[in-house]
Amino acid sequence: GAVVSQHPSWVICKSGTSVKIECRSLDFQATTMFWYRQFPKQSLMLMATSNEGSKATYEQGVEKDKFLINHASLTLSTLTVTSAHPEDSSFYICSAQGQYNEKLFFGSGTQLSVL
Amino acid sequence: SQKIEQNSEALNIQEGKTATLTCNYTNYSPAYLQWYRQDPGRGPVFLLLIRENEKEKRKERLKVTFDTTLKQSLFHITASQPADSATYLCALGLFPGGQNFVFGCGTRFSVLP
Repeated sequence: GAVVSQHPSWVICKSGTSVKIECRSLDFQATTMFWYRQFPKQSLMLMATSNEGSKATYEQGVEKDKFLINHASLTLSTLTVTSAHPEDSSFYICSAQGQYNEKLFFGSGTQLSVL
Repeated sequence: SQKIEQNSEALNIQEGKTATLTCNYTNYSPAYLQWYRQDPGRGPVFLLLIRENEKEKRKERLKVTFDTTLKQSLFHITASQPADSATYLCALGLFPGGQNFVFGCGTRFSVLP
């Protein structure tokens, strides 16, 4: 199956720091990438959908200035958590989708802990 | 209101038995439904996709059914093994080839040796 690489796997940072998470599709062109947040024992909460070369579409309640998403190429999307605070601590997961492909291929996730 | 529910938060089963996980939804008309497996601290992995005009799909020891009248999908794991222990998520695909998905909360499944 297709491979999606997500880095870093773990981030521990101080409050006020900005954190960038990368999501790369290694062997296919990802026309669409999704970013999710997941709390322990809960399901995936979609944060935003991004198509290559255009602005991300954010879900209701997700601050676009807080969670900056860039999808500059067909193989790379980044999520930057700006001025992170303890309440931003969570497991962030990206997924990628090829054109007309209904399957989602997920990254391995990033556990963010803000002290 | 729109809901997607998976039958139980946790399901334990003896090794070798067949497990059945359920996914029920209300006020959606999905074009297809997917099942994913998620291990702790990892991203979900795609398992099976079944379309609205399909009744059943199989892949090795896995079988998925889709009943659009009952608005329910059943996910069966036959001859369960401890390595099958994981959280299983169902996801509704709202449009063919589209980008709109809704995920259930998952069922934590454990196979006891």
